[in-house]
Amino acid sequence: GQQLNQSPQSMFIQEGEDVSMNCTSSSIFNTWLWYKQDPGEGPVLLIALYKAGELTSNGRLTAQFGITRKDSFLNISASIPSDVGIYFCAGTSGGSNYKLTFGKGTLLTVNP
Amino acid sequence: DSGVTQTPKHLITATGQRVTLRCSPRSGDLSVYWYQQSLDQGLQFLIQYYNGEERAKGNILERFSAQQFPDLHSELNLSSLELGDSALYFCASSATGGGFGAKNIQYFGAGTRLSVL
Repeated sequence: GQQLNQSPQSMFIQEGEDVSMNCTSSSIFNTWLWYKQDPGEGPVLLIALYKAGELTSNGRLTAQFGITRKDSFLNISASIPSDVGIYFCAGTSGGSNYKLTFGKGTLLTVNP
Repeated sequence: DSGVTQTPKHLITATGQRVTLRCSPRSGDLSVYWYQQSLDQGLQFLIQYYNGEERAKGNILERFSAQQFPDLHSELNLSSLELGDSALYFCASSATGGGFGAKNIQYFGAGTRLSVL
């Protein structure tokens, strides 16, 4: 089945630093999504990308849909303690676009 | 708040038992998806219902079943429970059942944590 390789698995950074994480796939995806999950909660949608090359921002977050349609990255600028959590990439592929495939997640820790 | 409601939040049961997890989608959403999240497997798609009918199946065990009712809420039934079924179970909903664009974005509930002892 589809697989997404998300890296890094975890990051430990200082408050104020910028963060970058990415996802790659061996096959083409039609939609890329980035979610954040806090402990005990469900994933919350951060950014949705629909076109190859698309660059979208949501506050301090910026994500891009790779030109090859096989990758995406998420950047967080000027990190703050509440950025702590697990960030997941997800994508849909194929004709029906209903099935979300998730990466394994990136655990982000921000030291104040 | 995503607008997707899942109950119960926690469930503790014994091996061999059967449980039912409930999900109410966001107002107006026709599709409901069920996912299992475990430490070693990550988020795994189980099954999708669209407007009352099964639309897609993922890695769902035969011991598990789901349905979507006329009011669009959904239930996930887990039977003959095993220790390995302990996990977080998430429900998500979207406006449509597939295709491109914002109407197919899935919004997740807070999950049900199932512990099988």
